[in-house]
Amino acid sequence: QQQVKQSPQSLIVQKGGISIINCAYENTAFDYFPWYQQFPGKGPALLIAIRPDVSEKKEGRFTISFNKSAKQFSLHIMDSQPGDSATYFCAAINKGGSEKLVFGKGTKLTVNP
Amino acid sequence: NAGVMQNPRHLVRRRGQEARLRCSPMKGHSHVYWYRQLPEEGLKFMVYLQKENIIDESGMPKERFSAEFPKEGPSILRIQQVVRGDSAAYFCASLDTRDTQYFGPGTRLTVL
Repeated sequence: QQQVKQSPQSLIVQKGGISIINCAYENTAFDYFPWYQQFPGKGPALLIAIRPDVSEKKEGRFTISFNKSAKQFSLHIMDSQPGDSATYFCAAINKGGSEKLVFGKGTKLTVNP
Repeated sequence: NAGVMQNPRHLVRRRGQEARLRCSPMKGHSHVYWYRQLPEEGLKFMVYLQKENIIDESGMPKERFSAEFPKEGPSILRIQQVVRGDSAAYFCASLDTRDTQYFGPGTRLTVL
């Protein structure tokens, strides 16, 4: 049973465009939702995170939108750049538990110049 | 401040051998998580350790896998009698006081 579902599996965007990645979760005990960026051969790096009492969080070109009632959240990358080409993972944590990250399967983003 | 360190970065083992993966958390961090990433898959939680304690091992296979985080030295993930299905990237992450997990570069295990 996959607790965090992520789509699309891959995404191709032109430079300057908007990249949108969607995630949905099932476990209502999740209360912290980070996004990680991973380049080939590297470990995941925290990009941005949101708590469910906030509907949107923006950091630079990256925005998380959160819909608690629908149990969905999404990452928007504005003005996408070739350097943004990477695999993006959404994740969820139950901070009342061991705080282990439950990851989606990832989205491979390619930004064409 | 050095980040999370893992070694070796690449490890090749033949079926039936043992694999030992090491993780040194960031300075001052005493909590370590291990995750496994299969090809084209997301990361899956394996185990959560504090110094000298296993806190949550719900993601660890029941056989052949073990983990420790001694009072001194790195955390060790040990896989006995490796099989081809163990081939994956293994990542550790250490936890800071703000509950953010920082990942190491990973160990890529290949079982021949």
